[in-house]
Amino acid sequence: QSALTQPASVSGSPGQSLTISCTGTSGDIGGHNYVSWYQHHPGKAPKLLIFDVSLRPSDIPDRFSGSKSGNTASLTISGLHAGDEADYYCSSYVTSSSPYWVFGGGTKLTVL
Amino acid sequence: DVEVVESGGGLVQPGGSLKLSCATSGFSFSGSALHWVRQASGKGLEWLGRIRSASKNYATVYAASVKGRFSISRDDSQSTAYLQMNSLKTDDTAVYYCTRHHDYGDYVAPLDYWGQGTLVIVSS
Repeated sequence: QSALTQPASVSGSPGQSLTISCTGTSGDIGGHNYVSWYQHHPGKAPKLLIFDVSLRPSDIPDRFSGSKSGNTASLTISGLHAGDEADYYCSSYVTSSSPYWVFGGGTKLTVL
Repeated sequence: DVEVVESGGGLVQPGGSLKLSCATSGFSFSGSALHWVRQASGKGLEWLGRIRSASKNYATVYAASVKGRFSISRDDSQSTAYLQMNSLKTDDTAVYYCTRHHDYGDYVAPLDYWGQGTLVIVSS
């Protein structure tokens, strides 16, 4: 049950756009569309940003978008602002005889 | 409003046991699968296991790292889930989160509601 691979950190200036990648295998990300992204401010509850690769809950602004190519999913954040500084995690359902979920190691986003 | 509140964390000695609770309101608990996820200090999120709804026979599945030591249960009448942790190790020190997904058909819904977590410290 290996974790998905994310960059440890990314940074950008206010107003810029950036993309966080999440690499898995054909057994998780590449095998279906059950890929989600979460925003986590320390001490708070993780927040669902993206589900089913590219869908947004109704309370999430369209500055956040998701995509997938092969075994790699991506989260793009446009119009960065200070409140976006947080940890971001990707997650995938893993289909197997005993299904389970796996998270990425997390990416620390710093707004410069 | 949706509420997910974990409790029961604290200091426990290696080899000891602890039972966490996850009290919820504001959504269909009986129609949800409940999951536990943890985060050790400086580390990422780690999925631990889930229990499905009654319609799915309360089926459970666990991560390899906790299988045989941890067990998840639920009380639909109280809208509360539990995580029983036995044979605790220092590596189990972490913040433990409860979350859920809407459990219907074959669709795997996202983990949409989360609590703020409860801290478990395993130390002598």
